[in-house]
Amino acid sequence: GESVGLHLPTLSVQEGDNSIINCAYSNSASDYFIWYKQESGKGPQFIIDIRSNMDKRQGQRVTVLLNKTVKHLSLQIAATQPGDSAVYFCAENGLYGRDTGNQFYFGTGTSLTVIP
Amino acid sequence: DSGVTQTPKHLITATGQRVTLRCSPRSGDLSVYWYQQSLDQGLQFLIQYYNGEERAKGNILERFSAQQFPDLHSELNLSSLELGDSALYFCASSVSSSTGWYGYTFGSGTRLTVV
Repeated sequence: GESVGLHLPTLSVQEGDNSIINCAYSNSASDYFIWYKQESGKGPQFIIDIRSNMDKRQGQRVTVLLNKTVKHLSLQIAATQPGDSAVYFCAENGLYGRDTGNQFYFGTGTSLTVIP
Repeated sequence: DSGVTQTPKHLITATGQRVTLRCSPRSGDLSVYWYQQSLDQGLQFLIQYYNGEERAKGNILERFSAQQFPDLHSELNLSSLELGDSALYFCASSVSSSTGWYGYTFGSGTRLTVV
């Protein structure tokens, strides 16, 4: 089956630097993508989303870039802070279940560690 | 607080036993989803319910079952438990039954340990 995957399982950055987390997806029919943040002991938390008719979307300190040509997503975090330390997941809607349900497909996650 | 409530937070049980995990969705959300997260694994979709009816099934074992009640809370039943069932089980909810452009709101999970 098709899958969502992440390029790097771990990432360490210095506090104040920018972070970039990458994600590859394989279902070209996916038209909605979400980045989630999961802190230790907590459930995934929505960070930012993007639709396939966009190639960039900005939030507060976060930017998501979508390259449909190569089926690649990235999450950029500006001025990374210790509170950003978490596992980050990308998810695609895949359109697998558009007619039968609502299923997001998640990658295994990238663990971001911010060094003070 | 995400608005999605899961109980219990932790559960330790022996192999062969049966447990029930409970989820109350966010107010107004009609869909409930169950996901399993094992060590070093991503979130694996198990099953979705919408307004009381099963809507989609993922990689859910036959030993597992779920239901959604008229008040929209959901229960995930895990039986004949094996060591490999030890994982975090997350419930999520959304307002819609179909993918559309709606994301999920996740609960804080139930950590199941099978010994």
